[in-house]
Amino acid sequence: GENVEQHPSTLSVQEGDSAVIKCTYSDSASNYFPWYKQELGKGPQLIIDIRSNVGEKKDQRIAVTLNKTAKHFSLHITETQPEDSAVYFCAAPPPGRRALTFGSGTRLQVQP
Amino acid sequence: NAGVTQTPKFQVLKTGQSMTLQCAQDMNHEYMSWYRQDPGMGLRLIHYSVGAGITDQGEVPNGYNVSRSTTEDFPLRLLSAAPSQTSVYFCASSYRLAGGPSSYEQYFGPGTRLTVT
Repeated sequence: GENVEQHPSTLSVQEGDSAVIKCTYSDSASNYFPWYKQELGKGPQLIIDIRSNVGEKKDQRIAVTLNKTAKHFSLHITETQPEDSAVYFCAAPPPGRRALTFGSGTRLQVQP
Repeated sequence: NAGVTQTPKFQVLKTGQSMTLQCAQDMNHEYMSWYRQDPGMGLRLIHYSVGAGITDQGEVPNGYNVSRSTTEDFPLRLLSAAPSQTSVYFCASSYRLAGGPSSYEQYFGPGTRLTVT
């Protein structure tokens, strides 16, 4: 099945700095790579995703890049703000299953 | 739309008890899933369903049963609760995006925090 590895597990940045979270996946047939944000006490919420036919996607301060050859994708948050503090998960679809395999999560803390 | 709803929000069980975690969605989504979240382990897939009457196992199915009699509902049953099932449980529904056979955008419920003593 799909194996998704995510790092770092924790990340602390100063407000206004950039943050980068990286994931690798194992199934070369995967073609959909979402990122979720989970705030305390809530369910994960999709913030951005990328399909395998593009290398980068941007939405205001967040962007995702994909390297299919190396089988890794990254989340980039620029000009971080305190409300960006949360746990972020990457994911990829396991072969043959209509669901997702998640990375272990990154706790991002933005220091004001 | 209420989206994905889960009940109860919190539950404490004694070892050996059984219970059902409820999940419902009003978005007419074809696919539904159950995940458990444990510290440092992300979300792990328990069971999923591709439509009414069709379910399949995920990564960690032991100790759990599911059924899907309607498109809207996907209950998760704990047969005989064990302390190892202490976790936060999330239900999700999804639909297939255009652009490939494995593109599924998932919508999560608010979760049920379960403690087994």
